[in-house]
Amino acid sequence: DIVMTQSPDSLAVSLGERATINCKSSQSVLYSSNNKNYLAWYQHKPGQPPKLLIYWASTRESGVPDRFSGSGSGTDFTLTISSLQAEDVAVYYCQQYYSTPYSFGQGTKLEIK
Amino acid sequence: EVQLVESGGGLVQPGGSLRLSCAASGFTFSSYWMHWVRQAPGKGLVWVSRINNDGTSTSYADSVKGRFTISRDNAKNTLYLQMNSLRAEETAVYYCVSSHGYLAQWGQGTLVTVSS
Repeated sequence: DIVMTQSPDSLAVSLGERATINCKSSQSVLYSSNNKNYLAWYQHKPGQPPKLLIYWASTRESGVPDRFSGSGSGTDFTLTISSLQAEDVAVYYCQQYYSTPYSFGQGTKLEIK
Repeated sequence: EVQLVESGGGLVQPGGSLRLSCAASGFTFSSYWMHWVRQAPGKGLVWVSRINNDGTSTSYADSVKGRFTISRDNAKNTLYLQMNSLRAEETAVYYCVSSHGYLAQWGQGTLVTVSS
C-alpha cells in the first residue's frame, strides 16, 4: 500500500504571503505509460465536503483560483498558494489514485498568522 | 449541475448493519466510477471503497473488507454501501464521490454513529 505523508501538520501564514504544503508518497505515483502523476489535492472547510483543487499533480480544477498551484513528480509534491486569502483557511489533503487502496495524507491545517 | 445526495446514516449499535445510498443527478452516472470516503470526528479523510462504472469491479480498504459491500444501480442512478458488523471506530461522515480517477465531485455526506 502507498503511504502519503504531508508536511507540516499545521501552518500559519500572513494574508498575502505564500503558503507551501509538501506531500511525499512511499512509492512513485508516476505512471510511465502516460507520464502522469496520479496525485490530487483537496481543500476541506468545516461543515462542507472536500473540494478538488488539483489533479494529475499540477492541473487546476475548473473554477479554482490561479493562486493555487501544484508541482512535483514521482514521490515528492507541493501545493503552493501564492498569496493567501482569508477564505483559504482550511485543511488540505494530498491523495494518490495510482493504486488501491487509494490513500490520503494526514492533512495540513492552514491558518492565518 | 452535478448532485450527489447521501442518505441512510444514523445511529446503530456495535455489530449492527446499515445501508447507505447516494442518489446521483446532473451527469451520466453509468459512465463514472464511484467511491465512498469517510471522516471520523476530528480525523482525516479515509478512502473506503470504489466501484467501476458497470459494477463488475470493486475494491475495498483492508479495514472494511469482508464487512462492507459497495454496489450500484445504474437504472436508478444510485450508489450503495452495505455496512455490516459495524464498530465504534467507524463513526464518521461518509461521503459519496464521483471519480475521474481523482475524486472529482463530493456529496454533502451522511453521518453514521456506531454506539450503544
